[in-house]
Amino acid sequence: DPKIIQKPKYLVAVTGSEKILICEQYLGHNAMYWYRQSAKKPLEFMFSYSYQKLMDNQTASSRFQPQSSKKNHLDLQITALKPDDSATYFCASSQDRLGGSQNTLYFGAGTRLSVL
Amino acid sequence: GDSVTQTEGLVTLTEGLPVMLNCTYQSTYSPFLFWYVQHLNEAPKLLLKSFTDNKRPEHQGFHATLHKSSSSFHLQKSSAQLSDSALYYCALSGGTGSKLSFGKGAKLTVSP
Repeated sequence: DPKIIQKPKYLVAVTGSEKILICEQYLGHNAMYWYRQSAKKPLEFMFSYSYQKLMDNQTASSRFQPQSSKKNHLDLQITALKPDDSATYFCASSQDRLGGSQNTLYFGAGTRLSVL
Repeated sequence: GDSVTQTEGLVTLTEGLPVMLNCTYQSTYSPFLFWYVQHLNEAPKLLLKSFTDNKRPEHQGFHATLHKSSSSFHLQKSSAQLSDSALYYCALSGGTGSKLSFGKGAKLTVSP
């Protein structure tokens, strides 16, 4: 059974619309992340959260907003969608924050977003 | 800041030949290094990671040695298998950062 659940698996959106990508983890981890993978930029870090607090944000655009309602949830809201946002978005988690540790990062199956 | 460099974008090998994927890094701190493997249409998953006591990690026939003097963590396997065809990422966890920094990846294709 998958321990990191991402919904939906596939998502098609119209330019200018807004979508929310869902992520829940059942590993009991304290840190969660979003990564993006596209042909242009493989596995690009976006956000990291620890105990529901934002730790790092390397997404330049404010159109991307993570939302954490519970410790094991980290959703990603994307507004004003553009074709360049087309990518696979991976949610990930680790026992604790990674910083210079051997903590392993575990990935969900991803949400493949296509913006038309 | 932290960075990881993987020089090979595409690697094509014949089954049975040795595999070597290069990884070098830059970090202000003494980082931990990882190799992740991603098969087609799947999520990346951990292949192996460096140890603090200089032991050589091994998994599924793959091994890597952390050389701090040359800032490298190359991935090796003595004999490639068809099932090794995948995308391989080297990654770094350094200092007080709260993320894993990935290289650009190397796509390995093993043919019969």
